[in-house]
Amino acid sequence: DAKTTQPNSMESNEEEPVHLPCNHSTISGTDYIHWYRQLPSQGPEYVIHGLTSNVNNRMASLAIAEDRKSSTLILHRATLRDAAVYYCILRDLADYKLSFGAGTTVTVRA
Amino acid sequence: EAGVAQSPRYKIIEKRQSVAFWCNPISGHATLYWYQQILGQGPKLLIQFQNNGVVDDSQLPKDRFSAERLKGVDSTLKIQPAKLEDSAVYLCASSLESWGPSLADTQYFGPGTRLTVL
Repeated sequence: DAKTTQPNSMESNEEEPVHLPCNHSTISGTDYIHWYRQLPSQGPEYVIHGLTSNVNNRMASLAIAEDRKSSTLILHRATLRDAAVYYCILRDLADYKLSFGAGTTVTVRA
Repeated sequence: EAGVAQSPRYKIIEKRQSVAFWCNPISGHATLYWYQQILGQGPKLLIQFQNNGVVDDSQLPKDRFSAERLKGVDSTLKIQPAKLEDSAVYLCASSLESWGPSLADTQYFGPGTRLTVL
């Protein structure tokens, strides 16, 4: 399985942007980059995914490096509700599994 | 739209006892997953069903864990007998399809069942 590397934790102030990095130097051409997050005492929830181009949705933006060896999840204005563990996952078309690592724990200060 | 339902939410048992967890996926979702999440770690896939057939159970400890999905809807996960290391949160998830880059394979998770084995 292709692996990802994320910082263990990050802190942010409320209403400020949060940039969550993810390194995936061994990514293959058919690997999609998925992000899920897990709020306290809940199951994970889908955030966003992309292949090569930057992606935006109502929750976040995903910026993918030109060589695809890294990506950044951007929360434009953090709220207290965004405090969660964020998982960066590589997923091949032929691999239906979501292989979760330890993720990044995001703390949002009021 | 109702989400993935799981019960019970919490369960405390002693080692060597048996326990069962129940999951009701989102209506119409063909694929159902069971994950195990040990404290401080990300979820690990135990078993995946496509309708009522098993797609992948390579990570399921089959000497003590079993799972079924009768009629391709609800599913139960059983542990018999439980060990101390089985203490974890057991998450159920479902998706419209099993794989592919479309949002149809987005996995929707339930709240999980927290199991404590004493």
